[in-house]
Amino acid sequence: RKEVEQDPGPFNVPEGATVAFNCTYSNSASQSFFWYRQDCRKEPKLLMSVYSSGNEDGRFTAQLNRASQYISLLIRDSKLSDSATYLCVVNGGSSASKIIFGSGTRLSIRP
Amino acid sequence: EAQVTQNPRYLITVTGKKLTVTCSQNMNHEYMSWYRQDPGLGLRQIYYSMNVEVTDKGDVPEGYKVSRKEKRNFPLILESPSPNQTSLYFCASSPRRGVGYFGPGTRLTVT
Repeated sequence: RKEVEQDPGPFNVPEGATVAFNCTYSNSASQSFFWYRQDCRKEPKLLMSVYSSGNEDGRFTAQLNRASQYISLLIRDSKLSDSATYLCVVNGGSSASKIIFGSGTRLSIRP
Repeated sequence: EAQVTQNPRYLITVTGKKLTVTCSQNMNHEYMSWYRQDPGLGLRQIYYSMNVEVTDKGDVPEGYKVSRKEKRNFPLILESPSPNQTSLYFCASSPRRGVGYFGPGTRLTVT
């Protein structure tokens, strides 16, 4: 089983839709969590950290469920510019300094 | 402007010819790391450094070396490149343990 798993997609949704994806992690000792966004052939960029209490940044909401060991990302009122691959990142897997990336979920927003 | 730079951005080389990919950050970050990204495998950590003269192996360190003689620089060295090291490489830096900011990537082809 992979340490961090994501549905690869692609998710193809119309502009204005709400879309959500999850990411599961295997190590209950994992300490911090992030969502990154990667555009084709570009470097990943930090979208948001994920806090235990959940957090929101504009149209984006991230949540952490430690009991079920998953994090989620919700995008409301999706824009064409949201089309990208979203990477789940877990810090502190089997060692405190280990950083594990999910393989990413591809999202495509259609007009 | 806060940034992580990598050079070269593109490199085609032959098996066995030693090469170095440079990485430099201007944010005075302590934590730096190297990743490779391959289709279907996502981003995998090669090496990381918690501070000057402190480096450690990530998930896929075989065939790579790093050094951290100065805080701003973290070069990746391939002593004897092989075709299975053909990949997209990213350097990243962060103020503390984590992923933080990525460089623009180096596309390496080993023939």
